Amino acid sequence: DAGVIQSPRHEVTEMGQEVTLRCKPISGHDYLFWYRQTMMRGLELLIYFNNNVPIDDSGMPEDRFSAKMPNASFSTLKIQPSEPRDSAVYFCASSFTGRGTGELFFGEGSRLTVL
Amino acid sequence: DQQVKQNSPSLSVQEGRISILNCDYTNSMFDYFLWYKKYPAEGPTFLISISSIKDKNEDGRFTVFLNKSAKHLSLHIVPSQPGDSAVYFCAGGEVSNYKLTFGKGTLLTVNP
Repeated sequence: DAGVIQSPRHEVTEMGQEVTLRCKPISGHDYLFWYRQTMMRGLELLIYFNNNVPIDDSGMPEDRFSAKMPNASFSTLKIQPSEPRDSAVYFCASSFTGRGTGELFFGEGSRLTVL
Repeated sequence: DQQVKQNSPSLSVQEGRISILNCDYTNSMFDYFLWYKKYPAEGPTFLISISSIKDKNEDGRFTVFLNKSAKHLSLHIVPSQPGDSAVYFCAGGEVSNYKLTFGKGTLLTVNP
């Protein structure tokens, strides 16, 4: 069974450009999470969805960041305009109701470099 | 304000010996805790978990201990193997929602 699929795996862009990261969760999972990993802050939660509805976006750093989940099998995280401090690895993860231990299944991540 | 803290950025042990990774938390609302393992260029993968009503959970070479009064948990790996070399993340979560709060991670290196 396919795991969480993220694209692109690597993105290099210039400051001010728009960046769109994509995620396909595991089929049947009703929770989707976007995390960001940096050396300074570790793994931090940006936003999560339940049944395609955003539940908590308190971790989104600022208005330049937005996330959508138009259907159960696709989500995007957009940064516009991008800045060098946005350089990080962005992970998408999914899970499902009833997973008692709260285990999340992560994708391989999208490494973003903003020059 | 870090709710989950892993104060050791790195740890180095010899193959066959015990590895002990530590984690402290401040959020009393956490109902369960998890350890994730991460290799370079891969996403974190679930390793082992423990409910807040237990003080120990064991799975093969991996054991997690929870001390609620001290708000401290630890992961023991016995015996350690070179393939265990990875970054280990500790995380806490609440049953009322499905989000996890992670520590910054500890890089474990197991030397042959």
